[in-house]
Amino acid sequence: AQSVAQPEDQVNVAEGNPLTVKCTYSVSGNPYLFWYVQYPNRGLQFLLKYITGDNLVKGSYGFEAEFNKSQTSFHLKKPSALVSDSALYFCAVGPLSGGYNKLIFGAGTRLAVHP
Amino acid sequence: DTEVTQTPKHLVMGMTNKKSLKCEQHMGHRAMYWYKQKAKKPPELMFVYSYEKLSINESVPSRFSPECPNSSLLNLHLHALQPEDSALYLCASTPVGGSYEQYFGPGTRLTVT
Repeated sequence: AQSVAQPEDQVNVAEGNPLTVKCTYSVSGNPYLFWYVQYPNRGLQFLLKYITGDNLVKGSYGFEAEFNKSQTSFHLKKPSALVSDSALYFCAVGPLSGGYNKLIFGAGTRLAVHP
Repeated sequence: DTEVTQTPKHLVMGMTNKKSLKCEQHMGHRAMYWYKQKAKKPPELMFVYSYEKLSINESVPSRFSPECPNSSLLNLHLHALQPEDSALYLCASTPVGGSYEQYFGPGTRLTVT
């Protein structure tokens, strides 16, 4: 069975400091991994994905993520956090099936960036 | 046009009402999805349409009835809902044979009284 774990309910970071939001996964076969961000009362915005290729993936708004196959992890990182990064972050794994993509989401991690 | 739109933004309905949620995309995506999201929880998949055919129904109660009239439009018809159905309903789409990520609409905030 496919699953995604986000072990932290909340991450607190001071503005300007680096941030990491953790994600581990369990899939059979090659994983398709995604990060999404959700601001209050809004839909999910796509940040970045890993399908194949380089383990370090760069995405929107200065975010990046590192795919680590041996540790089955896909942690989201940013070198310098902004207060405006405060939001709910979801990691997802999405095996492609029959022309569509059934995403399995982690429980979400709330990121709070303090001035 | 690179967005998914959803109407209405907010909907309040009684348990005996019939209403519909609408989702539209003009990106040529051929897979479309309905999700239900409770506060501070991840989205839960309800339905998937691929090439306008229902591909997945995640054991959703029959009071929710999806419809895909064409490749750009997805509806969710609501009837005899319960207060516990109050949630944010999200629509998403993906290109087929493309980059796999789903593009989400802003959602409809539904309150059942």
